[in-house]
Formats: sequence, structure tokens, C-alpha cells
Amino acid sequence: NAGVTQTPKFRILKIGQSMTLQCTQDMNHNYMYWYRQDPGMGLKLIYYSVGAGITDKGEVPNGYNVSRSTTEDFPLRLELAAPSQTSVYFCASRGGSVPDTQYFGPGTRLTVL
Amino acid sequence: DQQVKQNSPSLSVQEGRISILNCDYTNSMFDYFLWYKKYPAEGPTFLISISSIKDKNEDGRFTVFLNKSAKHLSLHIVPSQPGDSAVYFCAASDSDGLTFGKGTHLIIQP
Repeated sequence: NAGVTQTPKFRILKIGQSMTLQCTQDMNHNYMYWYRQDPGMGLKLIYYSVGAGITDKGEVPNGYNVSRSTTEDFPLRLELAAPSQTSVYFCASRGGSVPDTQYFGPGTRLTVL
Repeated sequence: DQQVKQNSPSLSVQEGRISILNCDYTNSMFDYFLWYKKYPAEGPTFLISISSIKDKNEDGRFTVFLNKSAKHLSLHIVPSQPGDSAVYFCAASDSDGLTFGKGTHLIIQP
């Protein structure tokens, strides 16, 4: 199992550009999450999904969109990138024998200039 | 308003000694608590967890203690090893999902 994979690892965007951060998990988990981590801060939830076709907002959803057409994939879309979206983005999926344990991808470091 | 607080941004411990990382929370509805470990340029990895109905959970060198009346939990690592140097996040779970603290950077000195 590859677990949770994210692409790209790094990206630099200009203000106003858009991009999609990809996330795929091969553990057949129903729950998937997108977080952002700013320097010196904890992880903040952007969006989450409880299964294919179902998504919901987290704590900081503004400026982002998601879709969940399959169990495996949960892409995060940035429209009109802004410097405030400079951050490290982590995708996670939930499952396993321990309740609420989330398994994280390696992250995407995004810089908006 | 931070519901999960890790008040020590960093902690330095000698190899072989005990490392104690602390976490406080304010929401009494949290029903599960987890610790994650994060190395640079990697995602957080699950370390150990505890249910709100327990006061201790042990897994090898790692033990988590929960004091519900004080809304406080701690992670003990004994003995500390160089590979334990990382950022440790405390997280708490309720119906809205996981809430993370800001993390404590643990540095193990040789």
C-alpha cells in the first residue's frame, strides 16, 4: 500500500493563477481531509469528505473547492491564488482500528507570489 | 480561541532521559486524544492515542496520560532516542473532527 499520496510536492503560483492539488489513497477509507499548516501553527481543516459525492467545509474553506467523485481521490482546487494561501497542504484519510486516526500524505508546499 | 494548546514551542532533552510533552484542552466534548509526530518535509504520522474514558495508554517507549478534571494530557517518551527529534502535535477529536495544537519541537541532545 502506498497510503496517501499527494502531487505536486512543491509549486510556485502567481497571484490570480489557479491550480489543483491532487490526493489519492489506496486504503479504501471513506473519510478524507484537506488541511493547511502555516509556519508555527497547527493544522487547520479546509474541507473534508465522508464518502464519494459528499463534501463539507472545515474551519478555513474560503478560496478553495473540492470534489470527491471516487473513494480514492480528493482533489483540492485553488481559484485565484492569493499570497495568504502560501502554506503547506496536507491530505489525510481516516480509517484503521484506532478511532479517529488519520493517515497523512507527505504534503504540498505552495508559494503564491 | 485555541481549544487545544501546546504551550511549549520547543523542548530539549538528553538522549536516554525522559521526554514529557504537555497538552491542554478546553472543550469537554472531546472524546479521543491523539499524538502525531512530524519530521521535516513529511506528513504527520500517528503515534499513540487515548480514549476519554481512560487515564493511561502505553505503547513501548510511549505513554500518554490523561487528566480529565484538569483537561490536560501528556506524552512520555522513555528512554529518549535521537530519532525522536521531531515536532509533536497533540490532537483532540469530537463530532467536528480533529483539532490540532501548534506543536512542540522536541530536540534530543546526544
